[in-house]
Amino acid sequence: SSELTQDPAVSVALGQTVRITCQGDSLGSYYASWYQQKPGQAPVLVIYGKNNRPSGIPDRFSGSSSGNTASLTITGAQAEDEADYYCNSRDSGVNHVIFGGGTKLTVL
Amino acid sequence: QLQLQESGPGLVKPSETLSLTCTVSGGSISSSSYYWGWIRQPPGKGLEWIGSIYYSGSTYYNPSLQSRVTISVDTSKKQFSLKLRSATAADTAVYYCARRSSSWYLIAFDIWGQGTMVTVSS
Repeated sequence: SSELTQDPAVSVALGQTVRITCQGDSLGSYYASWYQQKPGQAPVLVIYGKNNRPSGIPDRFSGSSSGNTASLTITGAQAEDEADYYCNSRDSGVNHVIFGGGTKLTVL
Repeated sequence: QLQLQESGPGLVKPSETLSLTCTVSGGSISSSSYYWGWIRQPPGKGLEWIGSIYYSGSTYYNPSLQSRVTISVDTSKKQFSLKLRSATAADTAVYYCARRSSSWYLIAFDIWGQGTMVTVSS
């Protein structure tokens, strides 16, 4: 089965831009989705597909993909963006779902 | 606004079966556009997909859990359920139910339940 690899931790200065990446063989064939999770709360979908935001997600969140790497970019990070971020996708060639290990974002 | 709510025991003894139910409100469970799934998160750790079910009853399971897991759906009650047999301490986690798109090219869980903590301990 495939894996999705994320950096465990990333930090960004308030108001600056940060990119969180997700690497995996399956991303060459399938789209990634991104979730934000704050302590004690359920994950929230922030980006899905090529670069789609669910209703209510600020436009400072964007997604992109190149080869086997998907990226979540936060342009002008806010204090409330401090959270864990997870990517997910389909496992290569099988009808299974896989999640990345998560990235803890700290806003300085 | 569709909502999901998990229910079930918060404490399960080792070797017993962990059973949870997710109730769908504010929308249909029988839509062909969605799968319904279970995802768990051990304390301090990441998300793990357990499995998904279509309203017709088709199921897909995480290979690492497949031998112990059964997910079922009751469309008349607008519920889907999880059974995890032979529970161990490693199954202690917050369990979420969630809805996702039916496309296998785009896996997006757009609606989640609040989660329920299940502890496996004697």
